[in-house]
Amino acid sequence: EAQVTQNPRYLITVTGKKLTVTCSQNMNHEYMSWYRQDPGLGLRQIYYSMNVEVTDKGDVPEGYKVSRKEKRNFPLILESPSPNQTSLYFCASSPLAGWDYNEQFFGPGTRLTVL
Amino acid sequence: DQQVKQNSPSLSVQEGRISILNCDYTNSMFDYFLWYKKYPAEGPTFLISISSIKDKNEDGRFTVFLNKSAKHLSLHIVPSQPGDSAVYFCAASEGTGTYKYIFGTGTRLKVLA
Repeated sequence: EAQVTQNPRYLITVTGKKLTVTCSQNMNHEYMSWYRQDPGLGLRQIYYSMNVEVTDKGDVPEGYKVSRKEKRNFPLILESPSPNQTSLYFCASSPLAGWDYNEQFFGPGTRLTVL
Repeated sequence: DQQVKQNSPSLSVQEGRISILNCDYTNSMFDYFLWYKKYPAEGPTFLISISSIKDKNEDGRFTVFLNKSAKHLSLHIVPSQPGDSAVYFCAASEGTGTYKYIFGTGTRLKVLA
């Protein structure tokens, strides 16, 4: 089944404790991206990647890092989480060829709470 | 500054009637727009898109209209069904070669049986 998976789905942590949220897709998509969803703010793009070793900042990159060492994986790293990073996070992927290349396939989300 | 705005946080419609969800944008460089639907505890799923070279795109019960001069797009769902109850997000990008996406804040649609 074609899908985007995220782990963990739920995480409660404390301020300053480094964490990684993994994202993996099995559709051979070139493009991957991370978003956060907050009440009243909708979805905001954190980082995106057009291919292996190619990443760029979205609208809200502060406090986050990403890496794209393999095509299928795009982990989101919070080196020193703070309470304002408490949010619902979504990973997404998309092919980059053809008319519909902008359509993104989203994972199920990771709910992160930073105390 | 919110470049993509969905000014109606919620909308209720009777089953079988038309649902109209609106989205306004401020960046004149946007030329590709998408609508996503989101159910609780799931990720958003793609619904329909439109390029700035068109003013209408239709897919079954869903039609998106784009008015570039007004910087406004709308999603029409006809007829509305209870399974359409979800949060709808519009999103915009500056088109081919640009991979940043700006999403609106979402509109929660409730279709009443």
